[in-house]
Amino acid sequence: DAMVIQNPRYQVTQFGKPVTLSCSQTLNHNVMYWYQQKSSQAPKLLFHYYDKDFNNEADTPDNFQSRRPNTSFCFLDIRSPGLGDAAMYLCATSREFTDTQYFGPGTRLTVL
Amino acid sequence: QKEVEQNSGPLSVPEGAIASLNCTYSDRGSQSFFWYRQYSGKSPELIMSIYSNGDKEDGRFTAQLNKASQYVSLLIRDSQPSDSATYLCAVIPLSGGSQGNLIFGKGTKLSVKP
Repeated sequence: DAMVIQNPRYQVTQFGKPVTLSCSQTLNHNVMYWYQQKSSQAPKLLFHYYDKDFNNEADTPDNFQSRRPNTSFCFLDIRSPGLGDAAMYLCATSREFTDTQYFGPGTRLTVL
Repeated sequence: QKEVEQNSGPLSVPEGAIASLNCTYSDRGSQSFFWYRQYSGKSPELIMSIYSNGDKEDGRFTAQLNKASQYVSLLIRDSQPSDSATYLCAVIPLSGGSQGNLIFGKGTKLSVKP
């Protein structure tokens, strides 16, 4: 089945220790998105790629970076995680910007 | 500032009843509208997408869109306890913001009582 896969599902890191979350898709979609969702809040867009074109939301902290080495994979790097970065990180894909976004299962990040 | 408003709930309905979830949006030029279901600790799952005025039905779910009133709703017929979740209304605005920026409402928590 075509799908969006995220690894790991759960990630525990220490304050300030870099962490990388991964997302892969078999949908062959052009757009890949990263969202951050904290408890009882709506998902918040961090950035997206259309193919290799990167767009960073204005309020995304510099601490968050992303890479898309090919169509199928996208990575979220958090260079120095703080306690406030503990959240669910969601990857989503869509064929085009106005099309449905399909979400992966998410990675729950805990910062100790 | 593009906004999507939903009643946070909780909305409680008995099993077998119709659950009605409502959403309003501020960007009059919006063209794409979505309802996602999110169980606690899980990721959002697409329930319905709707792009044109009127009703769209899929099984027990009906989405209704009224662009003139900037209003989109989701009806769940024959509600089941397994429908208990948070329902997120999401809109892609035509103008402003990042392309493809899905603007979410804060979600309505639905509880279906057996």
